[in-house]
Amino acid sequence: GQQLNQSPQSMFIQEGEDVSMNCTSSSIFNTWLWYKQDPGEGPVLLIALYKAGELTSNGRLTAQFGTTRKDSFLNISASIPSDVGIYFCAGPPVSGYALNFGKGTSLLVTP
Amino acid sequence: DSGVTQTPKHLITATGQRVTLRCSPRSGDLSVYWYQQSLDQGLQFLIQYYNGEERAKGNILERFSAQQFPDLHSELNLSSLELGDSALYFCASSPQTVPNEKLFFGSGTQLSVL
Repeated sequence: GQQLNQSPQSMFIQEGEDVSMNCTSSSIFNTWLWYKQDPGEGPVLLIALYKAGELTSNGRLTAQFGTTRKDSFLNISASIPSDVGIYFCAGPPVSGYALNFGKGTSLLVTP
Repeated sequence: DSGVTQTPKHLITATGQRVTLRCSPRSGDLSVYWYQQSLDQGLQFLIQYYNGEERAKGNILERFSAQQFPDLHSELNLSSLELGDSALYFCASSPQTVPNEKLFFGSGTQLSVL
């Protein structure tokens, strides 16, 4: 399947800092999705992107669909302790029916 | 609460054993997906069912099987368990079948094989 590469693998930041993470693929995606997994829970959809160049916000979160359609970015502004978790990018494959997920970026926020 | 229910939450068993994981999708969702999450592999797609029929297969081992029943709940059967099968198993549901975009995940079943 199409591989999604996320970076960084993990981040350890202080409360109030801004966070940036990205996701790249060797293949073109028509949709980019960002999920967050809280400790002990399943992933929850944060943001969906459908068009190259699209910039979408959800509160303090902003995601962008890269113009090459091979990448996407997620920014979190003014981080707070409840932002702790694993952030996954995902996209539907060209063929097939199941979302491909990146390996995630683990975020730790200290008060 | 995503509306997707998975049981049990934790399962501890021994190598060689067989276990069944259960999933109830969100009301009205016809698609059920099973994913395996391990530390080194991330979220790996195993198998998808749509309205009782197998729709897609991912990296599912031959020792694993699944089914979706008429009431739309699904079960994932894992047999001849090995230490490496220890992982978090998620079920997700969606109202769509193609293209799949948004999934609603359950809280997972943590399987420990000792």
